[in-house]
Amino acid sequence: DVKVTQSSRYLVKRTGEKVFLECVQDMDHENMFWYRQDPGLGLRLIYFSYDVKMKEKGDIPEGYSVSREKKERFSLILESASTNQTSMYLCASSWRTAPSPLHFGNGTRLTVT
Amino acid sequence: AQKVTQAQTEISVVEKEDVTLDCVYETRDTTYYLFWYKQPPSGELVFLIRRNSFDEQNEISGRYSWNFQKSTSSFNFTITASQVVDSAVYFCALSRIKAAGNKLTFGGGTRVLVKP
Repeated sequence: DVKVTQSSRYLVKRTGEKVFLECVQDMDHENMFWYRQDPGLGLRLIYFSYDVKMKEKGDIPEGYSVSREKKERFSLILESASTNQTSMYLCASSWRTAPSPLHFGNGTRLTVT
Repeated sequence: AQKVTQAQTEISVVEKEDVTLDCVYETRDTTYYLFWYKQPPSGELVFLIRRNSFDEQNEISGRYSWNFQKSTSSFNFTITASQVVDSAVYFCALSRIKAAGNKLTFGGGTRVLVKP
């Protein structure tokens, strides 16, 4: 079974802090994704990566950056956390071939106070 | 631009009732893929089904069935004889055939609560 592991289930950070959300997958998937989930809005794509050191902006990249130095690891960075970034963050991975199903982690619920 | 609409935000049923979740999508592509995912209380989205736009046959998997109608841009999901374990949030999603990086556009989700 594919395993996508997000380092934290819950995080509480203060406004202005730099926040790192980590995600690791064990299936050698080429693609990795960061989504945020908000009630009524579903999942919205922040960034995705289709290879090491490659990244593309999703629909809502403002205020976020990402890093993919190794194939299995994809990090989401909030440079200066703000209260409107309080949300559930979901990491996912998939094979490169479209349309491979996405495999998701359990999510990180981030609260910015 | 692509869009997926799940008009029902929450549905509550009693165990053994059938429940149908609506999904309506918008796309300019003539070929595309549609997905359903389930998110139980644990939080991890679980892939349920993928359907390409060429195949309008309905599909049944156990108590789950899907009705794809290209003419009305709908891909509805029915749970027959619901069980408490079906309580979850269900998401419909759309992907372009050649979507870079397999990007999905998700609907807002429908929360299903099955009461014993």
